[in-house]
Amino acid sequence: NAGVTQTPKFQVLKTGQSMTLQCAQDMNHNSMYWYRQDPGMGLRLIYYSASEGTTDKGEVPNGYNVSRLNKREFSLRLESAAPSQTSVYFCASRTGTGANTEAFFGQGTRLTVV
Amino acid sequence: QKEVEQDPGPLSVPEGAIVSLNCTYSNSAFQYFMWYRQYSRKGPELLMYTYSSGNKEDGRFTAQVDKSSKYISLFIRDSQPSDSATYLCAMSPGGYNKLIFGAGTRLAVHP
Repeated sequence: NAGVTQTPKFQVLKTGQSMTLQCAQDMNHNSMYWYRQDPGMGLRLIYYSASEGTTDKGEVPNGYNVSRLNKREFSLRLESAAPSQTSVYFCASRTGTGANTEAFFGQGTRLTVV
Repeated sequence: QKEVEQDPGPLSVPEGAIVSLNCTYSNSAFQYFMWYRQYSRKGPELLMYTYSSGNKEDGRFTAQVDKSSKYISLFIRDSQPSDSATYLCAMSPGGYNKLIFGAGTRLAVHP
């Protein structure tokens, strides 16, 4: 079972470059999330999509855009990367039929902006 | 002020100790409370889930929620070196899909 798949696993960008982080889930989940994880800061919600066709800002949305391409895929785009965006990015999905459902996470993307 | 506060540690205990991990929160709309465990260089995995106030036990793990104090806890009995990981609390409002995490507490259990 693939679960939640993120690509790429590692990436180095120069300041000002753009890139898209890809996420796909094969569990037929409605809700998908993007988090960033920094030392001592835990997981901070960037954007989420409660269902196909909808997206909402989380705690730290500035500098990011998202696209819910279809039910399976939720991408995160950095239009002009900054060193402050150096982080580990996690994608997650939940069934979304209740707020108590488990979130399943991908393995993360380690992004360094130099 | 963050909606969820959690002491990042690190916390170091000997094998067999009882471990107490805690989070406080400010949003009274939170009704669902979860604890995730994250091993180094891995994604978080759900450990326990609790709805509203009360206790829940699963083997060596006990989760407690006190909504009146906006305080949740995770207790680990007879801690093992394999419990060494980062523990993150997470919360969600009722009928809503936003899921907010604490900073995570790094736990080390030494033999």
